[in-house]
Amino acid sequence: DAGVTQSPTHLIKTRGQQVTLRCSPKSGHDTVSWYQQALGQGPQFIFQYYEEEERQRGNFPDRFSGHQFPNYSSELNVNALLLGDSALYLCASSLVVNGELFFGEGSRLTVL
Amino acid sequence: DAKTTQPPSMDCAEGRAANLPCNHSTISGNEYVYWYRQIHSQGPQYIIHGLKNNETNEMASLIITEDRKSSTLILPHATLRDTAVYYCIVRVVGNAGNMLTFGGGTRLMVKP
Repeated sequence: DAGVTQSPTHLIKTRGQQVTLRCSPKSGHDTVSWYQQALGQGPQFIFQYYEEEERQRGNFPDRFSGHQFPNYSSELNVNALLLGDSALYLCASSLVVNGELFFGEGSRLTVL
Repeated sequence: DAKTTQPPSMDCAEGRAANLPCNHSTISGNEYVYWYRQIHSQGPQYIIHGLKNNETNEMASLIITEDRKSSTLILPHATLRDTAVYYCIVRVVGNAGNMLTFGGGTRLMVKP
């Protein structure tokens, strides 16, 4: 049973560029959440997707957007990258919108 | 969600019990206590959760005080692989989503 998978695992971008990160949820899970984890800090909630709609959103600017596909996979898009966007981006899935979260290994983004 | 307070770091000898405290003095009656851990370079991993009764599973035990203002996560026989950052989180379980608010956590170092 595959867990939560994320791609790419590492990537480097420059300021002003755009990035797309991808997530496949654990088999049978229909809800996907995204978190940002800066170095040395705990993860911070970005948003949650269920039934292809954004259901909850944390305190992140509109430069952060997402999408959920009919197969429950999800993308996180960040536009106009800033140096401060450098972080580990974690995807988590759950069976239902309030179920237990299972996290992937993350995508490490470095913005130069 | 209520805030939690945890010691920033703790040491434990291999084979001994690790007792990780968490203070959540402003917890509400409908908020659960959750514990996650994050091993270096991996995504957070769910450990255990509870409302007011003590809980035990194959990974750990959770002891919640009668007034619910604090709790302790117990790893009965710590191994080197238990070295990680442990996060205590309180949240409401309902239809509004499963957003987790991570604090700084406790960095547990298990030593030989």
